[in-house]
Amino acid sequence: ETGVTQSPTHLIKTRGQQVTLRCSSQSGHNTVSWYQQALGQGPQFIFQYYREEENGRGNFPPRFSGLQFPNYSSELNVNALELDDSALYLCASRREDEQFFGPGTRLTVL
Amino acid sequence: AQTVTQSQPEMSVQEAETVTLSCTYDTSENNYYLFWYKQPPSRQMILVIRQEAYKQQNATENRFSVNFQKAAKSFSLKISDSQLGDTAMYFCAFMKTTSGTYKYIFGTGTRLKVLA
Repeated sequence: ETGVTQSPTHLIKTRGQQVTLRCSSQSGHNTVSWYQQALGQGPQFIFQYYREEENGRGNFPPRFSGLQFPNYSSELNVNALELDDSALYLCASRREDEQFFGPGTRLTVL
Repeated sequence: AQTVTQSQPEMSVQEAETVTLSCTYDTSENNYYLFWYKQPPSRQMILVIRQEAYKQQNATENRFSVNFQKAAKSFSLKISDSQLGDTAMYFCAFMKTTSGTYKYIFGTGTRLKVLA
C-alpha cells in the first residue's frame, strides 16, 4: 500500500474527446509525476509538478496538461484524444527520496 | 539521452530457486540512481530495490540483491528462494535529478513467472 490513489480505475473515451484523470497522495508528498504505460512497455515520463508548478516534462505534446493542488491531489488532462493515447496512466508522488506509485487508470480510446 | 534495456522479455523459475534478471543502461552521467520495480497484475508499481551510483557496494533487500557494474553499465537483479508471489513484471529504471526534476527512464520489462 503506497498511499497513492487514482480515479477512475478504467475509462473509455472516443477519439477527439477530452479526459481528466485524478491522483491523490498524502501529506508531505510535494512532488507528483505522471507516466504513460502503453501495453507491453515500460512507463514513460509525461511531466512532473512541484508546489503546483510544472517543473519537468517528457516528450509529450501540449495537449497533455496537468494541475497540482495544495491538498496533495493532482490531475492529468488530455485533449483531442487519439487512438495511441490508449494506455495505463500512472501517477507517482514523492516523499523525501522515494517515489510511490498509484495503481493507475486504464484509458481506452475508441 | 539515457536508455535502459531489458533483453529478457519473459523468464520462468521454479519455486525456491534463484533467478537473475538483466538490465543495461546507457548514460554519460556519473551520479544517478538505479531501481528495480515490480508490477504485479494489480498494476501498482512497487519498489524492489535501489542503488545509488556513487556506492560501490551492491544493494540487498532480503531475498533481492543487485549486481551493479558501473563501468559496464549493468544492473542485474537476483531473486533468491523465489516465491509464487514474485510472479510479476519487473522493470529496471534509471533516475537522474536535473534542476529538481526526478525523471525516471524505464526499460520495457521482464515478465517473471514463478512455477510451483
